[in-house]
Amino acid sequence: QQQVKQSPQSLIVQKGGISIINCAYENTAFDYFPWYQQFPGKGPALLIAIRPDVSEKKEGRFTISFNKSAKQFSLHIMDSQPGDSATYFCAASSQTSYDKVIFGPGTSLSVIP
Amino acid sequence: DGGITQSPKYLFRKEGQNVTLSCEQNLNHDAMYWYRQDPGQGLRLIYYSQIVNDFQKGDIAEGYSVSREKKESFPLTVTSAQKNPTAFYLCASSMGPASRGPQHFGDGTRLSIL
Repeated sequence: QQQVKQSPQSLIVQKGGISIINCAYENTAFDYFPWYQQFPGKGPALLIAIRPDVSEKKEGRFTISFNKSAKQFSLHIMDSQPGDSATYFCAASSQTSYDKVIFGPGTSLSVIP
Repeated sequence: DGGITQSPKYLFRKEGQNVTLSCEQNLNHDAMYWYRQDPGQGLRLIYYSQIVNDFQKGDIAEGYSVSREKKESFPLTVTSAQKNPTAFYLCASSMGPASRGPQHFGDGTRLSIL
């Protein structure tokens, strides 16, 4: 019940296209859903995060869509660029698990020219 | 620039040897964390510390030890009891609980077996 599932494992998108990464969870106590971006040889960096009181959050080309009833959330990258090529992790946590964040297994995105 | 510094970037361990990974932060964050990253897997929590001189085990603490003598520093020791230590180790910090807001990560240490 503590698991966060993420798909696809890898994704190849053409420059200018839309990249979509999906995540699902079981624990209904989860109430904070961040997305992290990681470049090779670097640590992850927070990209965007959402709480379940909203169904969508947009920051520039990055949008999180959240479906509370389905227990699913997704990251959309509009107008994907080669510089977006990285590994993306979704994550989830709850107020009751003070310091524990559950990470998905990651999606390796390659944006080709 | 504020941030988290991990050293060394690459580390090699011999059989039966303990090795220590360094993590220093100048963000004035109270909470610090150690994660292990393996290919195709998400980050797994090894240990975390909310305040100086206090720390808790995460999900995969066996074979690891930590100390938190200073707010800025949270070193991780990989002991000889850890039979599969080859991985990418990430240190992180956060201003408040990690479950409420962003974690800031260092650039990791890659540990390999000689």
